[in-house]
Amino acid sequence: DVKVTQSSRYLVKRTGEKVFLECVQDMDHENMFWYRQDPGLGLRLIYFSYDVKMKEKGDIPEGYSVSREKKERFSLILESASTNQTSMYLCASSSGGVETQYFGPGTRLLVL
Amino acid sequence: GIQVEQSPPDLILQEGANSTLRCNFSDSVNNLQWFHQNPWGQLINLFYIPSGTKQNGRLSATTVATERYSLLYISSSQTTDSGVYFCAVRTGANSKLTFGKGITLSVRP
Repeated sequence: DVKVTQSSRYLVKRTGEKVFLECVQDMDHENMFWYRQDPGLGLRLIYFSYDVKMKEKGDIPEGYSVSREKKERFSLILESASTNQTSMYLCASSSGGVETQYFGPGTRLLVL
Repeated sequence: GIQVEQSPPDLILQEGANSTLRCNFSDSVNNLQWFHQNPWGQLINLFYIPSGTKQNGRLSATTVATERYSLLYISSSQTTDSGVYFCAVRTGANSKLTFGKGITLSVRP
């Protein structure tokens, strides 16, 4: 079975802090994704990556950056957390040849 | 960009009832997936179905690509079916999916 893990289920940070969210997948997938989920808005894509050291902006990249130094790991970085970044963050991965996306359990981030 | 609309936004069922969830999309797609998000937030892929019909136990899905809609059928619903159901589509060559806003299903015992 595909396994996608995220470093924290719940996280509380202060405004202005630098926040790292880590995602690891164990199926050698080429593609990895970061989404945020907010009530009434569904899932919105922040960034995605097709390969190591490669990244593409999604629909809402402002205020975020990403890092993919190894194929299995994709990190989301909030350079200076703000209260409007309080949300549920979901990581996903997929193989280049198979389209199904597999999701991690999510991280609920609260920025105070 | 492509628009994805799901209906109804909310659905309440009695255990054992059947239901149909709908996903309309505004452009041609080469990828369509249905997901279930459980009350703890975990998203599970139910179907990869850019066209045609598939069945998995009590769930089945049909996509009519030429008419730009997909349907998810749940038969003999159970309380464990509760959660949010998302439709997601892709156009073009990259792997980016666009999600609908979801359908919240509550199945009551």
